[in-house]
Amino acid sequence: KNEVEQSPQNLTAQEGEFITINCSYSVGISALHWLQQHPGGGIVSLFMLSSGKKKHGRLIATINIQEKHSSLHITASHPRDSAVYICAVPHGGSNYKLTFGKGTLLTVNP
Amino acid sequence: GAGVSQSPSNKVTEKGKDVELRCDPISGHTALYWYRQSLGQGLEFLIYFQGNSAPDKSGLPSDRFSAERTGGSVSTLTIQRTQQEDSAVYLCASSFRDRQPQHFGDGTRLSIL
Repeated sequence: KNEVEQSPQNLTAQEGEFITINCSYSVGISALHWLQQHPGGGIVSLFMLSSGKKKHGRLIATINIQEKHSSLHITASHPRDSAVYICAVPHGGSNYKLTFGKGTLLTVNP
Repeated sequence: GAGVSQSPSNKVTEKGKDVELRCDPISGHTALYWYRQSLGQGLEFLIYFQGNSAPDKSGLPSDRFSAERTGGSVSTLTIQRTQQEDSAVYLCASSFRDRQPQHFGDGTRLSIL
């Protein structure tokens, strides 16, 4: 099974700050997922990446396959970014059976 | 709406009863996933359906849990003889194929008294 570690567990920031959330995993993968879960439970897929970097608005995800590490960055953070951010990777040799990190609770204060 | 629809949104039942949770995936999505999120625990994979292939049931925690997907569309997760440790949010997701981003429903919050 792929072990997934996220850091930090909790993060509090002021509006406008640059945010970085880290994810490390133990076994080589085909792709890594970043998910966002708002209070109330709805989960949104932010990124699915297998190499390099992807950008969507103020969100940037990077992955280093050799180091088995990914980062999620938020530029110019805003209170509406407050959510739990979850990293997930495939395990068991499949492309679909995901192992999830415990999540990073981000709170952005105005 | 065009998203993944789950019902009911909340379910409270007594220990020992059977429950059925329903998932209606996005039209055209061949892959369907069930996950569980327990209080204080992360998300865990339960079962995966892809088209007409046999489902991957390797994540189901016990034989009290079963799932089916009829006509390659709607899926039902059934829990028999519910136990208190079954209390959790059950989430369904679908994707166009595997290796594609997954679209999640809002989940069913199951509480076992």
